[in-house]
Amino acid sequence: EAGVAQSPRYKIIEKRQSVAFWCNPISGHATLYWYQQILGQGPKLLIQFQNNGVVDDSQLPKDRFSAERLKGVDSTLKIQPAKLEDSAVYLCASSLKPRDRGWSTEAFFGQGTRLTVV
Amino acid sequence: AQKITQTQPGMFVQEKEAVTLDCTYDTSDPSYGLFWYKQPSSGEMIFLIYQGSYDQQNATEGRYSLNFQKARKSANLVISASQLGDSAMYFCAMREGLGSSGSARQLTFGSGTQLTVLP
Repeated sequence: EAGVAQSPRYKIIEKRQSVAFWCNPISGHATLYWYQQILGQGPKLLIQFQNNGVVDDSQLPKDRFSAERLKGVDSTLKIQPAKLEDSAVYLCASSLKPRDRGWSTEAFFGQGTRLTVV
Repeated sequence: AQKITQTQPGMFVQEKEAVTLDCTYDTSDPSYGLFWYKQPSSGEMIFLIYQGSYDQQNATEGRYSLNFQKARKSANLVISASQLGDSAMYFCAMREGLGSSGSARQLTFGSGTQLTVLP
């Protein structure tokens, strides 16, 4: 079974530039998450999709970050314009839609995109 | 308020010995799941073990076991017979109940513990 695919693996941009990350979840996984992981910290949720609808984007800085999940499969996360504090690893994860005990649903992660803003 | 607390930024263990990584959590939801993930230097988050709030027995997966003390709200990870390849960052995470429309809620992570296994 193929895992969660993310690209690019690394990206270096100057502040105020824009950047986009791509994620392809595991086939059949209805739920997709984007997490931001700043160096030395645990991942923090940016946005969660259920199929192609947004479930939770309460921690997404909407003035500069946007995300979409076309047709409920692939997803892109965009930052425009980037700031120095956006330097982090951006992790995409996916999980099956829970049938009953939703709290037990395991999330599978991609290798992440390491963004450096200079 | 912190939902997941990992108080050990770094831990060292001798190869072949056991090590316990601490995790405490905070929730008022009776239904929740606790997860441990391993993150090697390559960056990918690898799922290790899961414990549900209604599970009567502590979870075990090979060399990993979870010491679940519900009353104390702790879910410590125990790694037995440590190997050099166990050197990595370890994260404790929690997911509470079911969200609206039956969707899974987010995983909330702690700040992690960097484990180094010494030869």
